Amino acid sequence: EAQVTQNPRYLITVTGKKLTVTCSQNMNHEYMSWYRQDPGLGLRQIYYSMNVEVTDKGDVPEGYKVSRKEKRNFPLILESPSPNQTSLYFCASSLRSGEGNTIYFGEGSWLTVV
Amino acid sequence: GDSVTQMEGPVTLSEEAFLTINCTYTATGYPSLFWYVQYPGEGLQLLLKATKADDKGSNKGFEATYRKETTSFHLEKGSVQVSDSAVYFCALLSYNFNKFYFGSGTKLNVKP
Repeated sequence: EAQVTQNPRYLITVTGKKLTVTCSQNMNHEYMSWYRQDPGLGLRQIYYSMNVEVTDKGDVPEGYKVSRKEKRNFPLILESPSPNQTSLYFCASSLRSGEGNTIYFGEGSWLTVV
Repeated sequence: GDSVTQMEGPVTLSEEAFLTINCTYTATGYPSLFWYVQYPGEGLQLLLKATKADDKGSNKGFEATYRKETTSFHLEKGSVQVSDSAVYFCALLSYNFNKFYFGSGTKLNVKP
């Protein structure tokens, strides 16, 4: 079954404690990205990756890092989380960018930073 | 830059009512357009898409037509059900810049 899997699904952490949200897809997709969803703001792209070792900033990259060492994995790293990073995070993938390709989303990770 | 604007919610309808959720876009070049649906507690799922002007996307009774002249991609359904209650997102894929842009989402509540 085609899947985008992200973990953890729910996390409460304290300010400044580094955390990583993992994302894995089993569809051999080239394109992966991270979004955060906040009330009234919809989904905003944090980072995206066109392929292995190719990453770029989205609209709201501050406070986040990513890496793409393998095609299937695209972890999101918060080096020093702050309360304004409390949000619902979605990982997504598609076969490749462009050409009207469908994005597949993970189920979301609820992150609370206190 | 590219952007998507959709009508604010929530939208509350009675079962079997007609639904329209407006979506307009601004884009350079020829984007692809999508509607995604998010049911409570779940991630986003593709509802329908259209990749070029005048294409009509359809699925589960929902339809949307890619109108280049009005830069719109309005979502319609002739008869909504309680199970359609969800948040609906209009999205644009900017081919040249390899980015997806989402609207802010419209919450639909359907009452029995």
